[in-house]
Amino acid sequence: NAGVTQTPKFQVLKTGQSMTLQCAQDMNHNSMYWYRQDPGMGLRLIYYSASEGTTDKGEVPNGYNVSRLNKREFSLRLESAAPSQTSVYFCASSENRYGYTFGSGTRLTVV
Amino acid sequence: SQQGEEDPQALSIQEGENATMNCSYKTSINNLQWYRQNSGRGLVHLILIRSNEREKHSGRLRVTLDTSKKSSSLLITASRAADTASYFCATKGNQFYFGTGTSLTVIP
Repeated sequence: NAGVTQTPKFQVLKTGQSMTLQCAQDMNHNSMYWYRQDPGMGLRLIYYSASEGTTDKGEVPNGYNVSRLNKREFSLRLESAAPSQTSVYFCASSENRYGYTFGSGTRLTVV
Repeated sequence: SQQGEEDPQALSIQEGENATMNCSYKTSINNLQWYRQNSGRGLVHLILIRSNEREKHSGRLRVTLDTSKKSSSLLITASRAADTASYFCATKGNQFYFGTGTSLTVIP
């Protein structure tokens, strides 16, 4: 099925550990995004990539890095996880002027 | 913050009733979108209304947009238990900003 695929679905990290969240889309969309969702906070943009080869900071980029590996893939890296990064992470893709297509999310707990 | 703000935060209605959710935002926009999120799932795009449109329909959904008041409403008519979810507005200016959502419960 066409869409956005995120891996893993669940992850528990210890403080200070690193990990990479993977995202891939098969809709040939130019733009890709990483959001985090916290209770009562809505979705907040971490980083986005308007096109292959470009990345830009969003609202809450501190503690994260991203790589737009190719047009399909956009990964999010936590270099040194902190408890404040416990959240649900969503990847999304879009074409200009249209709605976003979201992945099913990664539930991350940092202990 | 440029986030939209949904109102109410939570809404509980009987099946068959209409549900109305409101969204207010702060900056000028190109378009406004509504999304639904079922528990534990990603967001699903419902409908997009452009800044030069005032009303749009899609099935049982009706969206209005008042750019002078910087507000939008989402009406779900003849609600069903399957409509139980959280609903978010998202405003498109230079970036997309999502509101904090309205949690809708439809009681069978």
